[in-house]
Amino acid sequence: AQSVTQLDSQVPVFEEAPVELRCNYSSSVSVYLFWYVQYPNQGLQLLLKYLSGSTLVESINGFEAEFNKSQTSFHLRKPSVHISDTAEYFCAVENYGGSQGNLIFGKGTKLSVKP
Amino acid sequence: ETGVTQSPTHLIKTRGQQVTLRCSSQSGHNTVSWYQQALGQGPQFIFQYYREEENGRGNFPPRFSGLQFPNYSSELNVNALELDDSALYLCASSLGGKAFFGQGTRLTVV
Repeated sequence: AQSVTQLDSQVPVFEEAPVELRCNYSSSVSVYLFWYVQYPNQGLQLLLKYLSGSTLVESINGFEAEFNKSQTSFHLRKPSVHISDTAEYFCAVENYGGSQGNLIFGKGTKLSVKP
Repeated sequence: ETGVTQSPTHLIKTRGQQVTLRCSSQSGHNTVSWYQQALGQGPQFIFQYYREEENGRGNFPPRFSGLQFPNYSSELNVNALELDDSALYLCASSLGGKAFFGQGTRLTVV
């Protein structure tokens, strides 16, 4: 069975500081990896995804994540956070070659950016 | 804007009642998935429909059922509601390896 572990339930950080949100997964098969962001009272928005190729993937708003197969990790990083990054972040996996949309999510990490 | 619309946005039901939640996807998105997100938890996969047929199911009892229609809309039905069914229900339509989520329906069972 697959599982996703987000090691930190809450991460407080000051504005312009760097941040890392950790994600580890367990799977017996190859997987696709995703990070989603959820703002208060909203649905999920795709932040970035790893399907194949370069292990470092980037989003348009400065976040990046690196797939590490040996450590089964997909940590999310941003070198300098903004107040508007305050949200809950979910790491997710999907079976390689799967039916799309059958995602296994972690429990989420609440990022709180303080001025 | 994801192009996925869910209705209603909020709903209060009594234990034992039945509920129908609705989702409208973008044209051409022939795969729709439903998730349950309990308070403080990540979303959990309920089931998926592809071209109007169930195409995978998570660890949810049969009282959770669904339908998908030719016009890219879908329904999640829950019978015999229990207090633990209180959650945010999300639908997601998929195209090209990407899932587009709606804003969810928050169901409260009292």
